[in-house]
Amino acid sequence: EIVLTQSPDFQSVTPKEKVTITCRASQSIGSSLHWYQQKPDQSPKLLIKYASQSISGVPSRFSGSGSGTDFTLTINSLEAEDAAAYYCHQSSSLPQTFGQGTKVEIK
Amino acid sequence: EVQLVESGGGLVQPGGSLRLSCAASGFTFSSYSMNWVRQAPGKGLEWVSYISSSSSTIYYADSVKGRFTISRDNAKNSLYLQMNSLRDEDTAVYYCARVGIAVAAADAFDIWGQGTMVTVSS
Repeated sequence: EIVLTQSPDFQSVTPKEKVTITCRASQSIGSSLHWYQQKPDQSPKLLIKYASQSISGVPSRFSGSGSGTDFTLTINSLEAEDAAAYYCHQSSSLPQTFGQGTKVEIK
Repeated sequence: EVQLVESGGGLVQPGGSLRLSCAASGFTFSSYSMNWVRQAPGKGLEWVSYISSSSSTIYYADSVKGRFTISRDNAKNSLYLQMNSLRDEDTAVYYCARVGIAVAAADAFDIWGQGTMVTVSS
């Protein structure tokens, strides 16, 4: 099973600040890494797919990068509505797995 | 509007059974592979099961293998999860999620339902 480890687990950030969340895979997954945002009491929402592909309707301040084992989700100029948990997900091999999540709080 | 709506959750005793349903609308359901993903209270996401568009390929997480059965009825635009021999640790919100590319086996999950809560407790 491929283990995805996110860091940090929690981040408290001021609006307009830049946020960087990393996801490290226990073995190479190419670019089969996706990012989701989950706000309280809501279902997850796809933000980025295949490491860096943008999703229609997602604000341009969200971007992704990486390949192989190391990936990054960047939120440029954080807004209050971005308070949420963020999860990475690999679809390279079964079982598909998720990172443990990163909670972003607005100061 | 593309939509997935889960139902069938509830309170069940350990060892009991429950059948979850996921109704799809707004897209050609028969063209897409589907998944069940769960989230225990206050915890992260856990993939549970996958079924291909034609039901020819099915996978399960080890934690549910032999107890859960995924199925679909393309004529009814519906996905199902039959859960037997339920355990306390199966308590979670269960989401159905669509694989993002038609006829693809693996991709990001681009559409999620609102979830249905399953509570296993005596």
